[in-house]
Amino acid sequence: NAGVTQTPKFQVLKTGQSMTLQCAQDMNHEYMSWYRQDPGMGLRLIHYSVGAGITDQGEVPNGYNVSRSTTEDFPLRLLSAAPSQTSVYFCASSYITGDRQFFGPGTRLTVL
Amino acid sequence: DQQVKQNSPSLSVQEGRISILNCDYTNSMFDYFLWYKKYPAEGPTFLISISSIKDKNEDGRFTVFLNKSAKHLSLHIVPSQPGDSAVYFCAASFRFGNEKLTFGTGTRLTIIP
Repeated sequence: NAGVTQTPKFQVLKTGQSMTLQCAQDMNHEYMSWYRQDPGMGLRLIHYSVGAGITDQGEVPNGYNVSRSTTEDFPLRLLSAAPSQTSVYFCASSYITGDRQFFGPGTRLTVL
Repeated sequence: DQQVKQNSPSLSVQEGRISILNCDYTNSMFDYFLWYKKYPAEGPTFLISISSIKDKNEDGRFTVFLNKSAKHLSLHIVPSQPGDSAVYFCAASFRFGNEKLTFGTGTRLTIIP
């Protein structure tokens, strides 16, 4: 039981490049979410999903895309990276919305 | 509009003493409250939770207190240990209403040996 896994652990991008952050969970959780953590800002919700095929925007969705084709996977796409997207990104999952969430180890992204 | 607030960005406590971390919220619909602990370069891990039907929940050295009338919760760690040095996030949700978790901005706790 691996819990929530994220890849890559570190990534450096140039402005304008695109990439996909991977997230997977093996707990059969319906709810999955992406957060970014910036100094003094806490955990801000980017996008979330309440089940396969269903996604919605969080607090800071601009510049990011998500899809949920399976229960297990919830990738986050950066369409055209900007320096403002330099952050640490966490994926999390829970059995239902609003319940205790399990977090992945994070992806540290730097955009030059 | 920050619905969950942690007004102390940092706190230093002597080893062996009590650490008290505070959290305030504004949404009276919140019915479920949690504390997470985060070490550097790791994801947040769940520490303890409390439902709005209770005013206290204990788990070993950790106790969470909920004061609904004041819209305030606190986390007590007794006795504090060096391994407790981390960032602590409080979070809240209207779980009965299937609403998402809302997180505070975190408090960095440093335990001084």
